[in-house]
Amino acid sequence: MQLLESGGGLVQPGGSLRLSCAASEFTLSNYAMSWVRQAPGKGLEWVSDISDDGGSTYYADSVKGRFTISRDNSKNTLYLQMSSLRGEDTAIYYCAKSSGPTVTTWNSWGQGSLVTVSS
Amino acid sequence: DILMTQSPSSLSASVGDRVTITCRASQGIRNDLGWYQQRPGKAPKRLIYAASSLQSGVPSRFSGSGSGREFTLTISSLQPEDFATYYCQQHNSYPLTFGGGTKVEIK
Repeated sequence: MQLLESGGGLVQPGGSLRLSCAASEFTLSNYAMSWVRQAPGKGLEWVSDISDDGGSTYYADSVKGRFTISRDNSKNTLYLQMSSLRGEDTAIYYCAKSSGPTVTTWNSWGQGSLVTVSS
Repeated sequence: DILMTQSPSSLSASVGDRVTITCRASQGIRNDLGWYQQRPGKAPKRLIYAASSLQSGVPSRFSGSGSGREFTLTISSLQPEDFATYYCQQHNSYPLTFGGGTKVEIK
């Protein structure tokens, strides 16, 4: 059961970036998925959730209106579209798999993708 | 928002010590809580779910207890590989929130 993030990098303030999280060895459509981030030297911060069928999404106030979570179950892939990026969005972004169709705790995590917002 | 307060924020302990970490919720969350271990440079790893259920493959020296507002993670006999940072997380209501973390260091 593996999750592999991609799409991170350096972006200027106000810019956009899309993260992807490809699942392997399990069927993504059976599980709710999340993005969790960690700023350098800081603790964990939940960012966003999406239900197993994509019908329900949730966001932290800090990213609401700027980030969009989505999934393509046919491609076994989760996404996070990030726009109007700010310096405080600089972090390692982890995708994480819940145990079932709604988010509870996460039993599988990707290796993380670093997003740096700087001019 | 539900505030999760972990204590202590750091501790020093020796191999073989019993270690207890506490997590307090600002309101009742039933048993909607998990514990994670994070080693430096690595992704978090779930240890405990539903406050007291041990994740498959996690050594039995780890245990969780509590319900409502107060929860504990106990390591019965600290091993060298247990030196890491530990986080609690509630999923009772949105936004999902984590405790600030407890760094367990070698004495």
